[in-house]
Amino acid sequence: DTAVSQTPKYLVTQMGNDKSIKCEQNLGHDTMYWYKQDSKKFLKIMFSYNNKELIINETVPNRFSPKSPDKAHLNLHINSLELGDSAVYFCASSPAGQTNYGYTFGSGTRLTVV
Amino acid sequence: AQTVTQSQPEMSVQEAETVTLSCTYDTSESDYYLFWYKQPPSRQMILVIRQEAYKQQNATENRFSVNFQKAAKSFSLKISDSQLGDAAMYFCAYRSANSNSGYALNFGKGTSLLVTP
Repeated sequence: DTAVSQTPKYLVTQMGNDKSIKCEQNLGHDTMYWYKQDSKKFLKIMFSYNNKELIINETVPNRFSPKSPDKAHLNLHINSLELGDSAVYFCASSPAGQTNYGYTFGSGTRLTVV
Repeated sequence: AQTVTQSQPEMSVQEAETVTLSCTYDTSESDYYLFWYKQPPSRQMILVIRQEAYKQQNATENRFSVNFQKAAKSFSLKISDSQLGDAAMYFCAYRSANSNSGYALNFGKGTSLLVTP
């Protein structure tokens, strides 16, 4: 069983479209994250949810909206896609209060906007 | 946010040799955690090793060990007996123990490690 699963793994879409990336974890973790990895491999946090509550909301365009229907799921919806949104998006999870744990990452979603 | 610096964009090592990847960080906190992650071409992020700042003893995981110098804010990764499968991007990361941080992992820009036969 995959601990943190993201779908789809690859997404190619045209500018202006709206798309969603789904993330699910079966580890029982309370906290989930979205990270963006750009073309230079730099990883930057976008959002974090703890038990469905938004706790980190970094400076990202408001075209990006996370949604957490329950603590096992954190989806990322992107409106009006732009060329600059092309990147790899990682979902991750960690148990609340265990800061020495680090994260468990999903395998990433490569988004290509054409 | 705390800054994590990896000053070596690329490193190369021969199989069976030892290589050290550098990482420094900037923080005013006394309680935090440090991590090294490996990202092979498959792009999966794999935790290699972790270190608690309050522990003086350097962490070790099989062929991977760290040199943690808290006063110098340095956290280098040593890979012994390098193997072809060690070729990957390596990321150093900092995580505050302060709940105000949201427990985010702050990453360095990575070091690409090439292993030659």
